[in-house]
Amino acid sequence: GAGVSQSPRYKVAKRGQDVALRCDPISGHVSLFWYQQALGQGPEFLTYFQNEAQLDKSGLPSDRFFAERPEGSVSTLKIQRTQQEDSAVYLCASNLDSSIYEQYFGPGTRLTVT
Amino acid sequence: AQTVTQSQPEMSVQEAETVTLSCTYDTSESDYYLFWYKQPPSRQMILVIRQEAYKQQNATENRFSVNFQKAAKSFSLKISDSQLGDAAMYFCAYRSTSNYQLIWGAGTKLIIKP
Repeated sequence: GAGVSQSPRYKVAKRGQDVALRCDPISGHVSLFWYQQALGQGPEFLTYFQNEAQLDKSGLPSDRFFAERPEGSVSTLKIQRTQQEDSAVYLCASNLDSSIYEQYFGPGTRLTVT
Repeated sequence: AQTVTQSQPEMSVQEAETVTLSCTYDTSESDYYLFWYKQPPSRQMILVIRQEAYKQQNATENRFSVNFQKAAKSFSLKISDSQLGDAAMYFCAYRSTSNYQLIWGAGTKLIIKP
């Protein structure tokens, strides 16, 4: 089916605002990953879901970051009280099962905090 | 902890020529996966090639091949007959067999000169 989609593609937020970033994984994909990619750097792992269960959130940088996947498909990454250091591209990836190595990526959401 | 290092921030090559991108990694594990991903300006990560550590044979995918040196912990990507469409950021990534997280290098920007 269709690939991983993310929305919005671009988001500008004023410092202190809350934002919500959406990820639609490939239909049927059990595993879903969020990564943060700062400008000029490689991605860094944020969190991992298997179906609706968040099995690893060790990469979330602070308690202002929260992710959910309530029905095991669409996922939302929420950032509360945004700070300038949150400015980055947020990438979502999915795969059929975490035992399978290939992750399929969405186009990312570029978040700019002013 | 595992780390991935890409020591070339930028590389350029003449169209139709061959270029090699370098990647080294550090791990104490014996079994793992290595990947090269391409990220064009559209930001979507695209898997170029993968290598399972237990396989001695170097992976190839059309014009893309790797030189996997397990003892040296080196994993370079060779692009033959470079094309304008190959211009992008290239990221090397590592994944343990026991952990689903991808660990990324900082990337190499590849410029193709017409």
